[in-house]
Amino acid sequence: EVQLLESGGGLVQPGGSLRLSCAASGFTFSDYAMTWVRQAPGKGLEWVSAISGAGGSTYYADSVKGRFTISRDNSKNTLYLQMNSLRAEDTAAYYCARDGAAAPGLHFDYWGQGTLVTVSS
Amino acid sequence: DIQMTQSPSTLSASVGDRVTITCRASQSISNWLAWYQQKPGKAPKLLIYKASTLESGVPSRFSGSGSGTEFTLTISSLQPDDFATYYCQQYNTYWTFGQGTKVEIK
Repeated sequence: EVQLLESGGGLVQPGGSLRLSCAASGFTFSDYAMTWVRQAPGKGLEWVSAISGAGGSTYYADSVKGRFTISRDNSKNTLYLQMNSLRAEDTAAYYCARDGAAAPGLHFDYWGQGTLVTVSS
Repeated sequence: DIQMTQSPSTLSASVGDRVTITCRASQSISNWLAWYQQKPGKAPKLLIYKASTLESGVPSRFSGSGSGTEFTLTISSLQPDDFATYYCQQYNTYWTFGQGTKVEIK
């Protein structure tokens, strides 16, 4: 059974940093691209970042480019999102999701339960 | 950037109704479109991909159609478990979601 479990969310001050993790199980992690999607309270879904299965290719939404870094450790079956220079508008539930292939570019077939990031002073 | 526009934003319907949600893309995305269902406090769930392919385990009352810029999600007979918010997503160029359609009990 495919499982994705996010962690690392919490309350952080504007300008601060946070690292999210997503532990994967139930599939060969390196065979799949992975992605982060966020959802601000009461709002819709926004794609944030994606990474290829091998980790060599990364992609970012303009809203987070230069502030967020996606990475993965295939030996630990774990996806990461390093978030720096956080702003109030980054407040959201952050979901990790599995892409349908090794190279990013398909639909997201499995999702984690999400971790909440709140940016506030 | 490709923009996705769903209509309606909210839909009131009764159990047994046939429900149709429309999603329009700002430019052609071929059939690179997915539909997701999300319930409050839960993660989105994939229903349909490649515009019309039903994800394994999803009831056959859900169907998708369309190509190019106009797409539809149809629920043939609405069930109590189907009251939720539905999102379309294009994956032709990066990924963009529609704003969502909330299906409410009439």
